[in-house]
Amino acid sequence: DTAVSQTPKYLVTQMGNDKSIKCEQNLGHDTMYWYKQDSKKFLKIMFSYNNKELIINETVPNRFSPKSPDKAHLNLHINSLELGDSAVYFCASSQDHYSNQPQHFGDGTRLSIL
Amino acid sequence: KQEVTQIPAALSVPEGENLVLNCSFTDSAIYNLQWFRQDPGKGLTSLLLIQSSQREQTSGRLNASLDKSSGRSTLYIAASQPGDSATYLCAVANFNKFYFGSGTKLNVKP
Repeated sequence: DTAVSQTPKYLVTQMGNDKSIKCEQNLGHDTMYWYKQDSKKFLKIMFSYNNKELIINETVPNRFSPKSPDKAHLNLHINSLELGDSAVYFCASSQDHYSNQPQHFGDGTRLSIL
Repeated sequence: KQEVTQIPAALSVPEGENLVLNCSFTDSAIYNLQWFRQDPGKGLTSLLLIQSSQREQTSGRLNASLDKSSGRSTLYIAASQPGDSATYLCAVANFNKFYFGSGTKLNVKP
């Protein structure tokens, strides 16, 4: 039983394309996140949703658009992909945004732009 | 803005050794601090979470301490094993924002 699952695991695509990454959690958590991990292994938060509402929107190009159809899902859509978008994208969830509960991470989606 | 630093960036030790990983942060107004483990090609696994009002947390061979006033946390691993080899990251939460260090890559040699 995977708690936080992301698909696809690998994504190789051409510059300029539009792609989506899906994330689902079966933990009953209210809050979900998207992180980007660059080649130097720095993890940086991109978005956070609490009960389908946007809580955090860091300085991310508006080509990135998260969508939360329900609190168990947080998908990430990326328009007009650029070389600099190559990274590993992690989805995570936690009980809620304000409690001191740990975050649970998915295994990541490795995005490579050709 | 919060900055999180982890030292050392990499560490190689023989099996059985006790070791300490360090994490420092610039803004002491944190909500909590969390230690994670990341295996190659995998996501992060939460090891320990210390709330801002706590001084330490323990889980098995792991002990994490927190000194908010000095902006420091340490992760102590007792009797290290080859299976402990991974990258260890710390993350601090300033209310609704999360900041990660770049990690310490640990190699425990058999």
